[in-house]
Amino acid sequence: QSALTQPASLSGSPGQSITISCTGTSSDVGAYNYVSWYQQHPGKAPKVLIYGVTDRPSGTSTRFSGSKSGNTASLTISGLQTEDEAQYFCSSYTSAGTWMFGGGTQVTVL
Amino acid sequence: QVQLQESGPGVLNPSETLSLTCTVSGVSITSSYWSWIRQSPGKGLEWIGYTYYGGNTNYNPSLKSRLTISADTSKSQVSLKLNSVTAADTAVYYCARGLSYFDILRDWGQGTLVIVSS
Repeated sequence: QSALTQPASLSGSPGQSITISCTGTSSDVGAYNYVSWYQQHPGKAPKVLIYGVTDRPSGTSTRFSGSKSGNTASLTISGLQTEDEAQYFCSSYTSAGTWMFGGGTQVTVL
Repeated sequence: QVQLQESGPGVLNPSETLSLTCTVSGVSITSSYWSWIRQSPGKGLEWIGYTYYGGNTNYNPSLKSRLTISADTSKSQVSLKLNSVTAADTAVYYCARGLSYFDILRDWGQGTLVIVSS
């Protein structure tokens, strides 16, 4: 099983919006709405931002939003802030009955 | 609030058995999914497996032959045992609580570093 495909890095200026893609197949992202997004700052544990493709846990900023089209899920960060500089991972359930992660995207705020 | 705290040996030799414990507070472990995830230095995340109510388990096929995940409700602990470790098992190991398949990794512990080295 290969990891879900994410861009290695993205950058944006404060206030801008960026979108991170997570591309899988019809056996994982395309087949189930069990897609989540996680944010990880250096030396810290990941924190869930989005689950079930579009849902935010209480406490997650509304600047983070999720969507899915076909085999690709996306995380959009609106109004980019300096504290958004972090690594972002997607995950999906698979038809093999397991969970798979993306390789991660490093977001830099310029 | 929910808190998860991993503990383990830190360093072990190749071929030994890795034993990790996740101590849970703030919620009963008789509910929820309890997962283990690892992250090799500078690398991405790898789902290891989970246990949930009644002792049911689901493992990553690549680790299944060496892996046991279980829960001790009397101690409010979830454990991981991985046999015959090699240097490739060196990673930060996290435990996490999930509420459903939609929300499988809601709460995370801070992680524990495991180094396999002779």
